[in-house]
Amino acid sequence: DVKVTQSSRYLVKRTGEKVFLECVQDMDHENMFWYRQDPGLGLRLIYFSYDVKMKEKGDIPEGYSVSREKKERFSLILESASTNQTSMYLCASSQSTGATYGYTFGSGTRLTVV
Amino acid sequence: DQQVKQNSPSLSVQEGRISILNCDYTNSMFDYFLWYKKYPAEGPTFLISISSIKDKNEDGRFTVFLNKSAKHLSLHIVPSQPGDSAVYFCAASDGSNYQLIWGAGTKLIIKP
Repeated sequence: DVKVTQSSRYLVKRTGEKVFLECVQDMDHENMFWYRQDPGLGLRLIYFSYDVKMKEKGDIPEGYSVSREKKERFSLILESASTNQTSMYLCASSQSTGATYGYTFGSGTRLTVV
Repeated sequence: DQQVKQNSPSLSVQEGRISILNCDYTNSMFDYFLWYKKYPAEGPTFLISISSIKDKNEDGRFTVFLNKSAKHLSLHIVPSQPGDSAVYFCAASDGSNYQLIWGAGTKLIIKP
């Protein structure tokens, strides 16, 4: 059973902390994505990567960075967490031909910044 | 500018009846469309898709219709079941890159 695994289901962090969200896929997919989901706003793309060590900004990259040192792992970093980064974070992966094969999502990480 | 729009934030349907979820798009270059379903505290899962060369695709209780001239697609669920209660996302691709463009989602509530 192919999977995208996010390291934590729920996280509570303090304002100003550096936060790491980890995502691992076992499908040998080239593309990986980080989204956040907020009510009424749908899925907003933060960053994506189409190859190891490659990264591209999405629609809302401010306050975030990413790392992809290995093909199967894509990490999202909140440099200095703020309360407006409280959200559901979703990681996804897809094959190189991307969109027509759709994305496989992880179960999500519910992050609360206090 | 939202290229994919789901104008109904929520929809309530009686169990056993038809649920119709709508999605509009503005980019005529989109050639592939997908629907995803999302339960609370879970990631979205793929439901059904359609290529722009078709106007209908069916999979069990789920049918997606595409009207290219109107730039509109709809997802029909017949009959609706309690387990269909979820948020449904419409997504589109123009095939030129790796990204899907997402709608804001519609929360479907199936009443017993």
